[in-house]
Amino acid sequence: QVQLVQSGAEVKKPGSSVKVSCKASGGSVNSYAISWVRQAPGQGLEWMGGIVPVFASTNYAQKFQGRVTITADQSAGTVYMELSSLRSEDTAVYYCAREYCDSGGSCYSWVMDVWGQGTTVTVSS
Amino acid sequence: EIVLTQSPGTLSLSPGDRATLSCRASQSVVGSYLAWYQQKPGQPPRLLIYGASSRATGIPDRFVGSGSGTDFTLTISRLEPEDFALYYCHHYGRSPFTFGPGTKVDV
Repeated sequence: QVQLVQSGAEVKKPGSSVKVSCKASGGSVNSYAISWVRQAPGQGLEWMGGIVPVFASTNYAQKFQGRVTITADQSAGTVYMELSSLRSEDTAVYYCAREYCDSGGSCYSWVMDVWGQGTTVTVSS
Repeated sequence: EIVLTQSPGTLSLSPGDRATLSCRASQSVVGSYLAWYQQKPGQPPRLLIYGASSRATGIPDRFVGSGSGTDFTLTISRLEPEDFALYYCHHYGRSPFTFGPGTKVDV
């Protein structure tokens, strides 16, 4: 059973960048759509964007265009999310999630099934 | 961008009750590409329903999704103690994908 393991908590200054990693354990992420979702303290879920590593194709929410970059290292089985020009409002838990595949092997892009444990990013001066 | 509105904001019920959660989209959701997630404090979300009405693997049959177009519903037929949580709808048909603000089901 694949698990997604994310990098550890980060504390950043306003204006800086953060790069969060998401590595598959017990499987691969290369052929699957991987999404990034964030959740500010006490708030709801916000889809940021995603990537299909084998195609290197990315998809970003307009809100984050120009500030977020999602990349993949297929050889390492790892996906990265980099967010730049950080501000206090970016303080949140950031999750990666892999697309859902049913028992028959059909997969559904952007339906998020296997989730990482979350990475807390705190932006503070 | 499709805006999802969920109602009610909070549903106060008891174990054994039936819960009906609504999700309304600002425009038609292509292909009924609508999912429901459950989230408990300190945990990532858990996929319940995709394609508006298909249960994900391992999800109990008391969770039923329905709807199409702009109106979708998640029904929990008989609430179990572990069902008290936050529920989000999510559309994934056409980018940008968005979530609803959530419905809290509490005791």
